[in-house]
Amino acid sequence: DTGVSQDPRHKITKRGQNVTFRCDPISEHNRLYWYRQTLGQGPEFLTYFQNEAQLEKSRLLSDRFSAERPKGSFSTLEIQRTEQGDSAMYLCASSLIAGVTDTQYFGPGTRLTVL
Amino acid sequence: EDQVTQSPEALRLQEGESSSLNCSYTVSGLRGLFWYRQDPGKGPEFLFTLYSAGEEKEKERLKATLTKKESFLHITAPKPEDSATYLCAVQGTGNTGKLIFGQGTTLQVKP
Repeated sequence: DTGVSQDPRHKITKRGQNVTFRCDPISEHNRLYWYRQTLGQGPEFLTYFQNEAQLEKSRLLSDRFSAERPKGSFSTLEIQRTEQGDSAMYLCASSLIAGVTDTQYFGPGTRLTVL
Repeated sequence: EDQVTQSPEALRLQEGESSSLNCSYTVSGLRGLFWYRQDPGKGPEFLFTLYSAGEEKEKERLKATLTKKESFLHITAPKPEDSATYLCAVQGTGNTGKLIFGQGTTLQVKP
C-alpha cells in the first residue's frame, strides 16, 4: 500500500491557462475526494466520487472546475481559464466506505501558483 | 450550517509542557469527528476518528476526547517533533462524505 499519490506536486501557470491534476487513490478505496487549502486555513471540500459516480459538488465550485474518475480508479481535476484566486494547495483523499467508517487518507497535494 | 472552530490558533510550548487543543463543532448529526496532523507543505496525516460522546482514543503522547459539542486533543509531555498544525474535521450524517474542517491549531514545541 503506497498511499494516495498526486501529480504534479507543484504547478506554476499564467492566468488564463488550463491546468489538470491527477490523483491515484489507495488501491481498492471506493471513494475519492478533492479539497482545496489556502494558507492558514483548513481544507475546503470541492467534490467527491464513489466509484465512477460524482456524488456531490461544492456550491463554491465554479463552472471552470471539472473532475472525472473514469474507471473508478484515478481521478483528474481540471481548472479552465485559471485566475490568481485559484492559487492554493489541491488535496486528494481516498477512503473505503464500510458501514459507519469513512476515514479519509490524504495525498501530498498539488501546489498551484497562478501568475 | 455545519461549522468547526478550533482554538487557540497558535500554541507555543516548552518540551515536556502538557496542554490541550480545543475543537468546537456544530453539526446536524455527527457521523464522525476526525483529527489530522499536517506538516508544512504536506497533506494531512490521519490521527483519530471519534464517533460518539464519551469516546477516547490515544496514540503515543496524544489523546483525543469527544463530547456532544467539542473535542479535545491532549498532548502529554510534548517533544519538538510534535510541532505541526493539528486539524479537526466533522462528517455529518446523511448522504454526504465531505469533511468540514476547522482552521487548525499550529503547535510549536521548543526544546
